This record gives sequence, structure tokens and C-alpha cells, in this order.
Amino acid sequence: EVQLVESGGGLVQPGRSLKLSCAASGFTFSNYYMAWVRQAPKKGLEWVATISTSGSRTYYPDSVKGRFTISRDNAKSSLYLQMNSLKSEDTATYYCARNMGIAHYFDYWGQGVMVTVSS
Amino acid sequence: DVQMTQSPSNLAASPGESVSINCKASKSISKYLAWYQQKPGKANKLLIYSGSTLQSGTPSRFSGSGSGTDFTLTIRNLEPEDFGLYYCQQHNEYPPTFGAGTKLELK
Repeated sequence: EVQLVESGGGLVQPGRSLKLSCAASGFTFSNYYMAWVRQAPKKGLEWVATISTSGSRTYYPDSVKGRFTISRDNAKSSLYLQMNSLKSEDTATYYCARNMGIAHYFDYWGQGVMVTVSS
Repeated sequence: DVQMTQSPSNLAASPGESVSINCKASKSISKYLAWYQQKPGKANKLLIYSGSTLQSGTPSRFSGSGSGTDFTLTIRNLEPEDFGLYYCQQHNEYPPTFGAGTKLELK
């Protein structure tokens, strides 16, 4: 059974940093592109980042480019999101998601972790 | 970026009925549209991709249609577990973008 479990969320002040983790199990992690998708309170879904199987290619929307870094450790079946220079508009539930091949959709999701950016 | 417009934003129906949710892209995305279901306390679930291909495990009462800019998710013979939020997402190009969601509620 595919499982994705996020951790590392919490309350952080504007301008500070936070690192999210996602522990994957139930599939061969190194064979899949992985992604982060977020959802602000009472809002829709927003794609945040995608990483290739080896980690050599990463993709971001303009809203987080230069502030967020996605990475992975295939030996640990783990995905990460380093978030720097956080803003109040980054407040959201962050979901770890598995990309279906190299396609840009997501066939499995974690239950999410909440990040609140506030002073 | 491709803008995705979903309608309606809210929909009320009874078990056994059929409903349709629409999704319109701001430019052609060929057939590359996915539909997800979101329910409180559960992981988001991929229902359909590439416009009409059912993800493994998706009940046959769900169907997707459309191409280009206009797409529809149809749920026939609603079951109690079908009530929740539904999102469309284009997967034709980066960045992948989502619709604002449709809340399917019990009438």
C-alpha cells in the first residue's frame, strides 16, 4: 500500500525558514517523480514543486521560485521541502504527492501538514 | 499559466441522482485533465486522468469527457461516499494548475 506521511509543519515567523519532510513507503520511491502541493485555508490547490527521480531536475512556480527548494533522498525514501523567507501567504496545508510517471498529475497524496506563517 | 474555471462551485444532490461538474481551460490542453476528490481526514484521491481514463479503483459510476478547453466530470447514481470536494487540474504543461473546486453536498 502506497503511503506518504508528511512532517515538520508548525508555526513560524515571517522571514524565517522551515523544512518539511515526507516519508514514502509501499512503492519504489526512486522510480517516481515527486511533488509538493499546498492548500491555503478555505482555498484551492496550488502546485509548489516537482523533482525528478534522481533529483537532478526541479520545477517551481514563480510564487515560490528562489525561496523554496525541493530535494529527495532515495536511500531513505524521503522527500523534502526547504522553505526560506516565508511569507504570510505561504500559510497552507502542504501535501506530498507522487507524480504519475513524468506526467504532471498526482496519483497518491499524503494527508498533509499545516504550516502557519505569523508573527 | 493555464487558468482553470470550474462550475458550479456548489452543487446539492441526493443519493441515486446524477450530477455533472464542468471545467474550462483558458487555452487548449488537449485531453490532459485530471479530476480529484477531497474529503476531510482523507488523502486526496485521483479519480480520472487524461480526460477520461479512470484511475485504478475509481468506480465506474464516475466518467470524464471533453477535450481542448471544455471538460465534464459526471457521477451517475450518487452514493453517500461521493459527497465532498472535487477539483480539476490540467496536466498538459507546467505549471500544473487546478480549478477552484466544486463542493458536492447532500440535498
